[in-house]
Amino acid sequence: DAMVIQNPRYQVTQFGKPVTLSCSQTLNHNVMYWYQQKSSQAPKLLFHYYDKDFNNEADTPDNFQSRRPNTSFCFLDIRSPGLGDAAMYLCATSISNEQFFGPGTRLTVL
Amino acid sequence: DQQVKQNSPSLSVQEGRISILNCDYTNSMFDYFLWYKKYPAEGPTFLISISSIKDKNEDGRFTVFLNKSAKHLSLHIVPSQPGDSAVYFCAANTGGFKTIFGAGTRLFVKA
Repeated sequence: DAMVIQNPRYQVTQFGKPVTLSCSQTLNHNVMYWYQQKSSQAPKLLFHYYDKDFNNEADTPDNFQSRRPNTSFCFLDIRSPGLGDAAMYLCATSISNEQFFGPGTRLTVL
Repeated sequence: DQQVKQNSPSLSVQEGRISILNCDYTNSMFDYFLWYKKYPAEGPTFLISISSIKDKNEDGRFTVFLNKSAKHLSLHIVPSQPGDSAVYFCAANTGGFKTIFGAGTRLFVKA
């Protein structure tokens, strides 16, 4: 089945220790997104790629970076995680209005 | 600034009855609206959508209504089933790639 895969599902890191979350897709969609969702809040868009074109949201902290080496893979790098970065991180893809989400990675910062 | 608001954090409905989930928005430039459904430990999945040129879209048990003058949309589920118990997110975009989500409404359907 075509899908969006996120690894790992659960990630624990220490305060200030860099961490990378990964996302892959078999849908061959040209747009990929990263969202941050905190408990009982709306998913918040961090950035998206249209093919290789990177689009950063104005309020995304500099601490968050992303890489998309090819159509299938996209990475979220958090350079120095703080306690406030603990959240669910959702990856999504699309070719039109509807988005297809992965299961998410829950990040814990100790 | 919350452009998409779901003011009811939760809703409880008896099996077989109608579930009505509401959503309000503030940006009159939104021209496409979507509902997503999320089960625990899974990502949101697309459920139904509506373009701003329409006021109703129906897909089986699910109907979305759009009232542009009130900047309000609603999702009706008839009849509600226990398997519909999930978090429902309202979302909107202006036709580009940036979609704004509401905070979600948790629906409980009691058997």
